[in-house]
Amino acid sequence: GAVVSQHPSWVICKSGTSVKIECRSLDFQATTMFWYRQFPKQSLMLMATSNEGSKATYEQGVEKDKFLINHASLTLSTLTVTSAHPEDSSFYICSATTSGRRNEQFFGPGTRLTVL
Amino acid sequence: AQSVSQHNHHVILSEAASLELGCNYSYGGTVNLFWYVQYPGQHLQLLLKYFSGDPLVKGIKGFEAEFIKSKFSFNLRKPSVQWSDTAEYFCAVNLPRGTASKLTFGTGTRLQVTL
Repeated sequence: GAVVSQHPSWVICKSGTSVKIECRSLDFQATTMFWYRQFPKQSLMLMATSNEGSKATYEQGVEKDKFLINHASLTLSTLTVTSAHPEDSSFYICSATTSGRRNEQFFGPGTRLTVL
Repeated sequence: AQSVSQHNHHVILSEAASLELGCNYSYGGTVNLFWYVQYPGQHLQLLLKYFSGDPLVKGIKGFEAEFIKSKFSFNLRKPSVQWSDTAEYFCAVNLPRGTASKLTFGTGTRLQVTL
């Protein structure tokens, strides 16, 4: 149980385009979802926290207009990287929690974004 | 805000050697502690967690960790590593609270096990 999926697993796009990444909880309702960014050989950095039906809370230094997060349902959250640039190339990982296990996060497999 | 330190950035061990990876956190109150593993090309998996109770926690694949409150530490151990343990290991902490609590990760330790 507690499986989280992400789509796509990898994406290559041209500079200036927007990319949407989906995060789904497959077998549970995710009250909260988190979005992380991981640079090569580095740790995970939290970008934002989103609760279903409300605006995401962004970490300091993360541009909310650049990284649009939508958590429209209890099983789906999306991250849209708008007007992507090469410096946005990274590994994006989502995680989710459920009301019964609020302090434990279940991680998706990640999405590798490469911006040319 | 809490922070997590992992002092070993890269560890190389031979198979069957014993492993101990250090993790220290800075926060004066009650915390939840986690160890995650990321195998090459795979997603993060939970190895073990500590919320309360017995400070010696046993996880999957023969790993264990000991919470020492006085030292603000939560070191990961395994008596005998295998080649398949080659991976990146992350220590993380969050605060017990009513709503979902965000995780703070350490910088990670790359473990390389040689045959």
